[in-house]
Amino acid sequence: EIVLTQSPGTLSLSPGERATFSCRASQFVSSNYLAWYQQKPGQAPRLLIYGASSRATGIPDRFSGSGSGTAFTLTISRLEPEDFAVYYCQQYGSSPRTFGQGTKVEIK
Amino acid sequence: QEQLVESGGGLVKPGGSLRLACAASGFKFIDYNINWIRQAPGKGLEWLSYISPSGGAIFYADSVKGRFTISRDNSKNTVYLQMNSLRAEDTAVYYCARELRPYFEILTGFYVWGQGARVTVSS
Repeated sequence: EIVLTQSPGTLSLSPGERATFSCRASQFVSSNYLAWYQQKPGQAPRLLIYGASSRATGIPDRFSGSGSGTAFTLTISRLEPEDFAVYYCQQYGSSPRTFGQGTKVEIK
Repeated sequence: QEQLVESGGGLVKPGGSLRLACAASGFKFIDYNINWIRQAPGKGLEWLSYISPSGGAIFYADSVKGRFTISRDNSKNTVYLQMNSLRAEDTAVYYCARELRPYFEILTGFYVWGQGARVTVSS
């Protein structure tokens, strides 16, 4: 099983600031099958990025993903008020399709 | 509108069973893999199971293997999760989800999600 470790656990930032999230895998993620999700309280997750760097349909270009192998990054170039939420990475290249434990972005 | 709707959640005693259903609409159901994911109260996301369009490929997380069974009825555009031998730690919101692209294109993350079905296991 591939274990995904996200850091930091919490980010305290202000609107307009840049947010950077890390996701490290315990093993190589095949074909860069790495996705990022945003989840707000009481809602289902929303797919932001797949294939490590491809934005899903309708996702603003302030969201970008990068990385390969075992180290991946999600960046939000300028935080909007609606971006304060929890972010999860997930690998879907092998079963089980594991999730990271999440990073919470809170308003500073 | 592409949509997944879960049903069948509720309160069940430890050791009991429950069957969740995930009804799809607005897209060509037979072209998509379907997954089940759960989220315990205040916790993160846990992937549980996957079924291919034909049902020929099925995978489970170790935490539910041997207790949960995924299946699909393509004539009803519905995927099921039969949950047996339920434990308190199975208490969660259960989501079904499908990928962004059909199975014959590239694998992607989960783009369409249901609203979730709440399952509570308690005596």
